[in-house]
Amino acid sequence: EAQVTQNPRYLITVTGKKLTVTCSQNMNHEYMSWYRQDPGLGLRQIYYSMNVEVTDKGDVPEGYKVSRKEKRNFPLILESPSPNQTSLYFCASSTPRGPFTDTQYFGPGTRLTVL
Amino acid sequence: QKEVEQDPGPLSVPEGAIVSLNCTYSNSAFQYFMWYRQYSRKGPELLMYTYSSGNKEDGRFTAQVDKSSKYISLFIRDSQPSDSATYLCAMSPPRAYSNYQLIWGAGTKLIIKP
Repeated sequence: EAQVTQNPRYLITVTGKKLTVTCSQNMNHEYMSWYRQDPGLGLRQIYYSMNVEVTDKGDVPEGYKVSRKEKRNFPLILESPSPNQTSLYFCASSTPRGPFTDTQYFGPGTRLTVL
Repeated sequence: QKEVEQDPGPLSVPEGAIVSLNCTYSNSAFQYFMWYRQYSRKGPELLMYTYSSGNKEDGRFTAQVDKSSKYISLFIRDSQPSDSATYLCAMSPPRAYSNYQLIWGAGTKLIIKP
């Protein structure tokens, strides 16, 4: 089954304690992306990756890091989480089709609470 | 001003009604328009997409793009309780200008009452 998986699904942590949210896709997609979703603000892109070892900042990258060492994995790292990073996080993957992006497949989401 | 504006709702309608969901945008370079549906506690999933202007129909769903007015719509006919979800619009210019990034609306929460 084609899917994007994220772990953990729920996480409660404290300010300053480093954490990693994993993302993996089994569709051999080149493009992967991390979003955060907050009420009234919709989906905001944090980082994206066009392919292995190619990453770039999205709209709200501050406080986050990513890496793309393998095509299937795209972990999101919060080195020193703060309460304003409490949010619902989604990983997505897609593959280019012509001049436009193809369908983005989303993971189930990770609800993060930083106390 | 946001690049894409979408009324967050909630929009509550009785079962069987025709639903109209809308987004306005400001960037005339946008050419690719999508509607995603997001059920509670789930990730968004693509519902429909259109290129440039015009209409596209898929079963009970019709996507409409009016580039002259910078306005897109999603119509749902014979709405069902299972259509209750948040609907997000997304759009992008050609890849040369976007690196495949999508610009998202905030989403409209739709409630279909049985």
